[in-house]
Amino acid sequence: QVQLQQSGPGLVKPSQTLSLTCDISGDSVSNNFAAWNWIRQSPSRGLEWLGRTYYRSGWFYDYAVSVKGRITINPDTSKNQFSLHLNSVTPEDTAVYYCARGLSGSYPHPWSQGALVTVSS
Amino acid sequence: DIVMTQSPVSLAVSLGERATINCKSSQTVFYRSNNQNYLAWYQQRPGQPPKLLIYWASTRESGVPDRFSGSGSVTDFTLTISSLQTEDVAIYYCQQYYDAPWTFGQGTKVEIK
Repeated sequence: QVQLQQSGPGLVKPSQTLSLTCDISGDSVSNNFAAWNWIRQSPSRGLEWLGRTYYRSGWFYDYAVSVKGRITINPDTSKNQFSLHLNSVTPEDTAVYYCARGLSGSYPHPWSQGALVTVSS
Repeated sequence: DIVMTQSPVSLAVSLGERATINCKSSQTVFYRSNNQNYLAWYQQRPGQPPKLLIYWASTRESGVPDRFSGSGSVTDFTLTISSLQTEDVAIYYCQQYYDAPWTFGQGTKVEIK
């Protein structure tokens, strides 16, 4: 059974970098049939997909236009995890952040429990 | 991006009665090559992550009660709760995985009348 456990600070100051990690159990971040995603949810923006990384004989990355240029998603094969880094944050980036797996051409499942990240000074 | 539009925004239904939620996509989410609609439904209770109910528009996830059913094709979809129970009070979302980026409806809040 695949489980995702995320970790990271719940409070980030404006202009700084939001960093979260998602630990994977029951699957491998290098699975050739999976993609590893970050999604966030806020009252103003609803559920918003942020980006993904996946391995297909090499690492690939896709990012949402809304955060492109500010976002990096990194896999870590030694720890079987992947991370989200979102820089130059503003209060608009305050949201509950989730990580989720998506199998090739398939829906996000499972999701992590989620964590509120507040951007405030 | 594919825009997902749900209706209604909220609805109140008596216990044991039927609840119907609609979802419309701005373009097709149906792949003719495999005859599948790339549409999922999720239930979200307060403080919880979205829980997968339905995928491929009409396939119930393991463990989901059979009072939940999904229907529709191409651009128009429906989630039906045949007999509303107290534990079904939640927000329901549709989501397309036909094309990147994944996009979600704005949610429908279901309450007890």
